[in-house]
Amino acid sequence: AQSVAQPEDQVNVAEGNPLTVKCTYSVSGNPYLFWYVQYPNRGLQFLLKYITGDNLVKGSYGFEAEFNKSQTSFHLKKPSALVSDSALYFCAVRATGTASKLTFGTGTRLQVT
Amino acid sequence: EPEVTQTPSHQVTQMGQEVILRCVPISNHLYFYWYRQILGQKVEFLVSFYNNEISEKSEIFDDQFSVERPDGSNFTLKIRSTKLEDSAMYFCASSERGRVSGELFFGEGSRLTVL
Repeated sequence: AQSVAQPEDQVNVAEGNPLTVKCTYSVSGNPYLFWYVQYPNRGLQFLLKYITGDNLVKGSYGFEAEFNKSQTSFHLKKPSALVSDSALYFCAVRATGTASKLTFGTGTRLQVT
Repeated sequence: EPEVTQTPSHQVTQMGQEVILRCVPISNHLYFYWYRQILGQKVEFLVSFYNNEISEKSEIFDDQFSVERPDGSNFTLKIRSTKLEDSAMYFCASSERGRVSGELFFGEGSRLTVL
């Protein structure tokens, strides 16, 4: 079974400071990893994904994430946070070779002030 | 930019009534999904659908749930006899590729309130 852990319910950051939202995963085989963002009363928007290759992947709105296989982590980062980044962030995993579901973490609320 | 569209945006129903939630996936996508989210919490997988049949379903997706692709564009989720605990936001998603690395594209959701 595949699973995702987001250990922080909420992360508070001052605008202009770097931000990190943590994610660890468990999956059989090699993972496909994703980050999604959800603004209030909206759907989930795709931010970025790791499939293979460079461990640092870049995505939308200046976000990036670092894949660390030994630590089974895929933390989301941004060098300089904006107030408009405040939202709910979900990490998700899919095992390679599976034709279907993404499994999501419980979400981390990012508050930028 | 192509998007997944869902209707209705909000539905209120009485317990025991049937509800149909509708989705129009992105036109060239082949894989379709329903997820639900209760009160802004975890996003839970319900079912995936490919080639006119269910690929995978979760334990949540019991006999009261069904999915259908009645024509070339719509993808529906039916809840036969709604319960209070079915109150949630239901998200439809589609993906161009399922087995490889395709990300899912989500609709804005249908909020279901069961009274």
